[in-house]
Amino acid sequence: QSVLTQPPSASGTPGQRVTISCSGSSSNIGSNYVNWYQQIPGTAPKLLLYRDNQRPSGVPDRFSGSKSGTSASLAISGLRSDDEADYYCAVWDDSLSGWVFGGGTKLTVL
Amino acid sequence: QVQLVESGGGVVQPGGSLRVSCAASKFTFTSFGMHWVRQAPGKGLEWVAFIRSDGRRKYYADSVKGRFTISRDNSKNTLYVQMNSLRLEDTAIYYCARADGELERRPIDFWGQGTLVTVSS
Repeated sequence: QSVLTQPPSASGTPGQRVTISCSGSSSNIGSNYVNWYQQIPGTAPKLLLYRDNQRPSGVPDRFSGSKSGTSASLAISGLRSDDEADYYCAVWDDSLSGWVFGGGTKLTVL
Repeated sequence: QVQLVESGGGVVQPGGSLRVSCAASKFTFTSFGMHWVRQAPGKGLEWVAFIRSDGRRKYYADSVKGRFTISRDNSKNTLYVQMNSLRLEDTAIYYCARADGELERRPIDFWGQGTLVTVSS
């Protein structure tokens, strides 16, 4: 079981807004930045958001992040078919002295 | 564009050893910490280990501590992971990944394409 809890699946129709949650604890999300990765099946992961809500160059502003206490969320607006992928949150954990990933959320665009 | 190319994956028997390498290019290798992250077939991502840019500090997941050793050769721009006492549950794609700075709390910003390690009798 992952230290960070994500829903295993999420879905939406084109144009909709979907959110994916990531729940942790005071030793990880509560005290460190949350980062989000997108992985299209069969390919390597890609950095989507860092430092809770910062987008790397090239990531569209349809992707946004937020954090409150020991939980974080990834929001995708204007959903597109090519957003269909697995999404992971990742945080440094002070108690473990290591990185932890959420279990991943499979996003389906209906 | 950052390039990370893993090699050395393959099939190994339980209890065996394997060393996987990652050749880095198109960035200043000595300025960045590096990670290994793995993904078992059909499963999620699992962080394995991190090494600082100067190689002096290393961090490991509990699942591999005492069995895996991360290292780097800055003269060759190459990252390694030596895997000993391999178990069936170590079967995974092993990704080499760059941190966006020198230290352990910096997030991964680039990933290699991965190399498959299969532990099987």
